[in-house]
Amino acid sequence: SQTIHQWPATLVQPVGSPLSLECTVEGTSNPNLYWYRQAAGRGLQLLFYSVGIGQISSEVPQNLSASRPQDRQFILSSKKLLLSDSGFYLCAWSTGTATDTQYFGPGTRLTVL
Amino acid sequence: AQSVTQPDIHITVSEGASLELRCNYSYGATPYLFWYVQSPGQGLQLLLKYFSGDTLVQGIKGFEAEFKRSQSSFNLRKPSVHWSDAAEYFCASRGGYQKVTFGIGTKLQVIP
Repeated sequence: SQTIHQWPATLVQPVGSPLSLECTVEGTSNPNLYWYRQAAGRGLQLLFYSVGIGQISSEVPQNLSASRPQDRQFILSSKKLLLSDSGFYLCAWSTGTATDTQYFGPGTRLTVL
Repeated sequence: AQSVTQPDIHITVSEGASLELRCNYSYGATPYLFWYVQSPGQGLQLLLKYFSGDTLVQGIKGFEAEFKRSQSSFNLRKPSVHWSDAAEYFCASRGGYQKVTFGIGTKLQVIP
């Protein structure tokens, strides 16, 4: 069966520091991958999605970036964190088929101080 | 563009009472519809999904949802709520190969 991992689970970083969040999927090949941010009271905001290695689409312009160095690995990065980057970051995967369903990882709680 | 509306941001029910969480979607054709549940500090877990066929869909944890095209709704129901059902619930829709659109979520509080 498929599983999705995210780490770290929690992270506290100072403003201006770099960021790297990792997401990996097991048990499937060539998944679609997604990064969402969930801020308090604001639902889920899609940040990036990827349909293949090296193929990244950005939904919201900001100081974050994403990369997909391997088929089942999706990384969210920032060179300099802002206070507004605080939130709960969720990675998700899907098959990319007509009856596509997204499955979510456990999330990373990021606090920028 | 697609949109998903969850009109109730917060709902409180007594343990053992019935539950209905509302969801309305906006899409020209019949979308694919989903309900997810999120416990505090956790990721989202898929409760159920509707693609086609029977408009009453059964999910995990005793939940069901009914697709009503005439009302553009996909309300989530449970006949008897347990304290462990306290969580945040998200409705989502997808049209064809478009991206999934999530509602803003409904927080469910269960009182003894």
